Amino acid sequence: SQTIHQWPATLVQPVGSPLSLECTVEGTSNPNLYWYRQAAGRGLQLLFYSVGIGQISSEVPQNLSASRPQDRQFILSSKKLLLSDSGFYLCAWSVNSNEKLFFGSGTQLSVL
Amino acid sequence: DQQVKQNSPSLSVQEGRISILNCDYTNSMFDYFLWYKKYPAEGPTFLISISSIKDKNEDGRFTVFLNKSAKHLSLHIVPSQPGDSAVYFCAASAWEKLVFGQGTRLTINP
Repeated sequence: SQTIHQWPATLVQPVGSPLSLECTVEGTSNPNLYWYRQAAGRGLQLLFYSVGIGQISSEVPQNLSASRPQDRQFILSSKKLLLSDSGFYLCAWSVNSNEKLFFGSGTQLSVL
Repeated sequence: DQQVKQNSPSLSVQEGRISILNCDYTNSMFDYFLWYKKYPAEGPTFLISISSIKDKNEDGRFTVFLNKSAKHLSLHIVPSQPGDSAVYFCAASAWEKLVFGQGTRLTINP
């Protein structure tokens, strides 16, 4: 069966520090991978998605970047965190485009 | 530009009654619609979906209705149970990604 791992579960970082969140998927090949953010009191905003290794599409201009170094690994990064980067970050995968997403358990990031 | 909108941020329903969550969309290219349920500090979980070629899909206590002419979909939960208390997101699919609404917090009162 397929599983998705996302870590850490919570993270407190000072403003200006770097960020690296990792997500891995098991039990499937060539998944579509996604990073979403849920800011306090707001919905789910798509940040990045990837349909293959090295292929990253960015949805909104921001202080973050994403990389896919391996087929089932998706990394969200920042060189210098801003206060506005605080939120609940979710990794997700799907088998094909336009199919239902399977989400990880999320990372609560607090930038202080 | 919010392409998928859930205009009710919260909804309170008595246990045993029907819960109706609404969602509107603007992009006529959306061809697949989904509902997700989310508990605090957890990732959303898939609940039910509907293709644009249908107007209704039922799964146990959950039914999703799609009105393409009005660009509106709704989720009916009947009867509502305390465990249904969560945030519900509708989502619409086009091309390679899902677009989510802002979510509606459903509270089921005993």
